[in-house]
Order: sequence, then C-alpha cells, then structure tokens
Amino acid sequence: EIVMTQSPATLSVSPGERATLSCRASQSVSSNLAWYQQKPGQAPRLLIYGASTRATGIPARFSGSGSGTEFTLTISSLQSEDFAVYYCQQYNNWPPATFGQGTKVEIK
Amino acid sequence: QLQLQESGPGLVKPSETLSLTCTVSGGSISSSSYYWGWIRQPPGKGLEWIGSIYYSGSTYYNPSLKSRVTISVDTSKNQFSLKLSSVTAADTAVYYCARQGIQLWLSAFDIWGQGTMVTVSS
Repeated sequence: EIVMTQSPATLSVSPGERATLSCRASQSVSSNLAWYQQKPGQAPRLLIYGASTRATGIPARFSGSGSGTEFTLTISSLQSEDFAVYYCQQYNNWPPATFGQGTKVEIK
Repeated sequence: QLQLQESGPGLVKPSETLSLTCTVSGGSISSSSYYWGWIRQPPGKGLEWIGSIYYSGSTYYNPSLKSRVTISVDTSKNQFSLKLSSVTAADTAVYYCARQGIQLWLSAFDIWGQGTMVTVSS
C-alpha cells in the first residue's frame, strides 16, 4: 500500500497570501495524484487531477505540480472561501486508492 | 448534471451489517468510462477508500476491509450498494459514494454524493 504524507498538518495564512501544501508518496505514483478541498459538513471537491490539471470550474489560483513522490498544491492568493482542509490522493497503484491525512488551511 | 445520493440507516447495532445505497441521477451508471466508489470518513478524521465497482459487476476492495465488504450494482435502478458486515464502533463514519474515472490518468473521484452519517451503537 502506498502511504501518502501531507505537510504541514495546519497552515496559518492571511487572506491574499500564498499557500503551499506538500504531499509525499512512499513510492512513485507517476502523475496519478489528485487534490481535494473539503469544507466543514461538505463532501470533498476535486480540485486537481493528474498532479497539475485543474478540474472543471476550479479557479486558476489553484495549481498543482510534481511527479513521482513529491507534489505541491499552491493557492496563489487565498480567498475567504479557500480556508478548508485539503487532501491528496494517489490512484496510480490501486487497490487501494490512498489519501493523505489532510492539511488544514486556517486564517492567520 | 450528474448527481449521487446516499441512502440507508443512520444507526446500526454492533456486529450487524451496514447497508447503504447510492442512487445516480442525471447520467447512466452503465457508462463504460467510470467506476463507482465508496469512501468513508470517521468523525474528525481523514478519508478512507472502501471499494469501487464497474457497471459489469467487477469489484475492487480495500484489503483492510475486504473480508467484510460487498459492493454490488443494479443497473436497472441506476444504483450501487455497500454492505459492511460485523460492524463495530470503529465503522462509525460519514459514508460517501463517488464517481471514479476508468482511465488511469482520470481515475480521481470527480463527483461525490453529499455523504450519510452512520453510527454504530447499541
């Protein structure tokens, strides 16, 4: 099973600032990695797939990069609606599909 | 647009079987382009993939749950279902159904149901 490790656990950022979230895989997942956003009481929402492709309707301030074992989600200028928990997920070697433990982006 | 909706009991007794159904609307579950999956999230914790099914009935399960999980599909009703046997308090979670692309590079979960909370308690 591929283990996904996200860092940091919590990221405190001021509105308008840049946020950088990291995700590391225990072995290569090529570019078969997704990022999700989850707000309290809501289902996760797909932001990025293929490590760097934005899903339909996702604003351009969200960008993904990386391949192999190291991945980054960048939010260029945080808006109030971006404060949430973010999960990475690999789907290169499944079953099982595996998720990271999440990074909470909170208001500084 | 495509929507998924989970349904089933919100309370299950320990040692019994949890049963949930996901109804797909606005599209066909028999599409050759997608799997249909179940993911759960214990209160305050992260996401765990349970398993996925193709419309033909092919199934893929998380090895950690495989001995207790059955996922089935009913194409006539545009539904797929989850059964989890011998539940304990550790199975208390929000259960989500979701659509998953069949091509590897598209195999993220792109559409999710709203989720349903299932509590295991006597």
